[in-house]
Amino acid sequence: EPEVTQTPSHQVTQMGQEVILRCVPISNHLYFYWYRQILGQKVEFLVSFYNNEISEKSEIFDDQFSVERPDGSNFTLKIRSTKLEDSAMYFCASSHRGLSYNSPLHFGNGTRLTVT
Amino acid sequence: AQKITQTQPGMFVQEKEAVTLDCTYDTSDPSYGLFWYKQPSSGEMIFLIYQGSYDQQNATEGRYSLNFQKARKSANLVISASQLGDSAMYFCAMREGGGADGLTFGKGTHLIIQP
Repeated sequence: EPEVTQTPSHQVTQMGQEVILRCVPISNHLYFYWYRQILGQKVEFLVSFYNNEISEKSEIFDDQFSVERPDGSNFTLKIRSTKLEDSAMYFCASSHRGLSYNSPLHFGNGTRLTVT
Repeated sequence: AQKITQTQPGMFVQEKEAVTLDCTYDTSDPSYGLFWYKQPSSGEMIFLIYQGSYDQQNATEGRYSLNFQKARKSANLVISASQLGDSAMYFCAMREGGGADGLTFGKGTHLIIQP
């Protein structure tokens, strides 16, 4: 069964550094998402992406964050000037039909980001 | 106000018993979808079951079923014949309307199955 793949599985970075989290969504999916989950807390929506542009973004997704689909398969989340509070599990997800309410999101296994 | 409420932060259940995980939701949109995800200790998010607001019947998927009570705005997950491998965090989530935005998650229920 096709799956969403994320790399790396764990990223450690120093405060103030930039990180890029990478995702390969399921190939025939059209909608892409990033979520984050701070340890022990609920999963929070960051951003959705469709047709090469951001569709929706949450309050968390400020100027520090950006997303890109640099080619036909990858979807990246860039975090500039990382802060300690950016430490979290970051999940990439994709769905086939974002405009249809019955399209489940398929999540990757996540990237655990640790900012020291 | 919380859009998704899961009132059980943790539950202990004996193996082979059925378990019900509660979820209530809040939306004024007539079109919405409700999802349950399982998150084992390894961290991945596994899609379990989906219920659409216009679906006439409760969703079922193997040992998982969804007790959908639209008037009460509840979408409880029922796991029949629980197994040790069911121990995990369980998240209820909702998608509203026809927009491209994603899911709103509840805080989750930590289910522990005891032998």
